[in-house]
Amino acid sequence: GIQVEQSPPDLILQEGANSTLRCNFSDSVNNLQWFHQNPWGQLINLFYIPSGTKQNGRLSATTVATERYSLLYISSSQTTDSGVYFCAVQPSGGYNKLIFGAGTRLAVHP
Amino acid sequence: DSGVTQTPKHLITATGQRVTLRCSPRSGDLSVYWYQQSLDQGLQFLIHYYNGEERAKGNILERFSAQQFPDLHSELNLSSLELGDSALYFCASSVARYTGELFFGEGSRLTVL
Repeated sequence: GIQVEQSPPDLILQEGANSTLRCNFSDSVNNLQWFHQNPWGQLINLFYIPSGTKQNGRLSATTVATERYSLLYISSSQTTDSGVYFCAVQPSGGYNKLIFGAGTRLAVHP
Repeated sequence: DSGVTQTPKHLITATGQRVTLRCSPRSGDLSVYWYQQSLDQGLQFLIHYYNGEERAKGNILERFSAQQFPDLHSELNLSSLELGDSALYFCASSVARYTGELFFGEGSRLTVL
C-alpha cells in the first residue's frame, strides 16, 4: 500500500520562528489533507490540498502531486501552534479513505 | 467545531465488556468513517459507510462492528474488550462517496482496565 512519510518527526521552536513540515507519499493520490491535533486530541482541518498552493493566515501549504510531496509552512509560530501535524492522503483508484502519516510533533516555547 | 458529533467523549470499562460509540455526521454528509488512534499504531482506518452501505474495511477486528442508520448516524460496537483496545476512536464524515474532504469529530477516548 501507499507509504506516507512525514519529516521531521519532532520540532522545537521559539515563538515567532518559521518552520516547514514535509510529507512524502509513495504513489499517486486523489486527495491530501493536513490536520493539526491539539493537546486535547482534537483533529482540526488545516488544508484540503490535492495540488497547488493555499494560504490561511500564518499557515500555507503546497502540494506537488507529480513529485509526490506536500509542504506545510508555519510562519511567526505561536504557542497555540503546538501539537501534532498530520498529513493524510487518499490513494488514487482506491477506496475513499485517508492514510495518515506518523505526524510531526511541534512544540513552540515562549 | 467540525459539525461531527461523537458520544461519549470518555469511556472507562473493563476487559471482556462491550461498548457502543456513536457518531452523527455533518448535516448533508452521506459518508461516515471510523478511525482508531493508539499510541503504537497511529491513526488507522477501520471502516467506511456511505448512505447506509458498507463501502470499505480497513484494519477492523472481528470483535468490532459498525453500522450506519437511515438517519445517517453511525455506531461502532466494540466487544470482548481487551487492554489493547484502549485508544481514541474518531468518526469522520464527508459529503462524497469516492473522494472529498473529511471532517473529524472530537473523538471518544476508550480506556479498558
